[in-house]
Amino acid sequence: KNEVEQSPQNLTAQEGEFITINCSYSVGISALHWLQQHPGGGIVSLFMLSSGKKKHGRLIATINIQEKHSSLHITASHPRDSAVYICAAGGNTDKLIFGTGTRLQVFP
Amino acid sequence: NAGVMQNPRHLVRRRGQEARLRCSPVKGHSHVYWYRQLPEEGLKFMVYLQKENIIDESGMPKERFSAEFPKEGPSILRIQQVVRGDSAAYFCASSSHGARTEAFFGQGTRLTVV
Repeated sequence: KNEVEQSPQNLTAQEGEFITINCSYSVGISALHWLQQHPGGGIVSLFMLSSGKKKHGRLIATINIQEKHSSLHITASHPRDSAVYICAAGGNTDKLIFGTGTRLQVFP
Repeated sequence: NAGVMQNPRHLVRRRGQEARLRCSPVKGHSHVYWYRQLPEEGLKFMVYLQKENIIDESGMPKERFSAEFPKEGPSILRIQQVVRGDSAAYFCASSSHGARTEAFFGQGTRLTVV
């Protein structure tokens, strides 16, 4: 079993839909990161959180430390949101442990 | 204020040659991480360096791979005698205070071994 599990692995949506990507982890963490990777492109850090909730534009990230679970929400999704979204756990060893990613496709 | 700069973006090497991948972290960041992404797979940790010191290299193959982060200049990931299985995207990330702080990623170097 991976230390960081994401679901779903693949997700398709119509433009405007509300999207949720889930991440569960089994390791102790100091912070949970959400990253975005476009095809053939680099990786962008979206959020780093250790408690509660953060919002940036149409993106919202939440974390429940007791349940070891985090969610990334995208409101009013748009085709440009199509990318791979990666959850990564930052543990006490200072290295990130990555989930396998969720491939999102938003159709107009 | 430049982000993490990796070069080259694309690198083609023949089997048996050496590959050198460079990473200049965000100015002021002393923590550098290298990650590898094999085709159709997720990112995997390779090595964590903090100015001149290797802190954790548990993800590095035992042979042919080495990394350094000198006092002056970029961090270098070096792969000797490359094989086809080394073909992957190699990402560098930097942070100011380890994984407890936001990590900034480079665009990656895509290594193709022919």
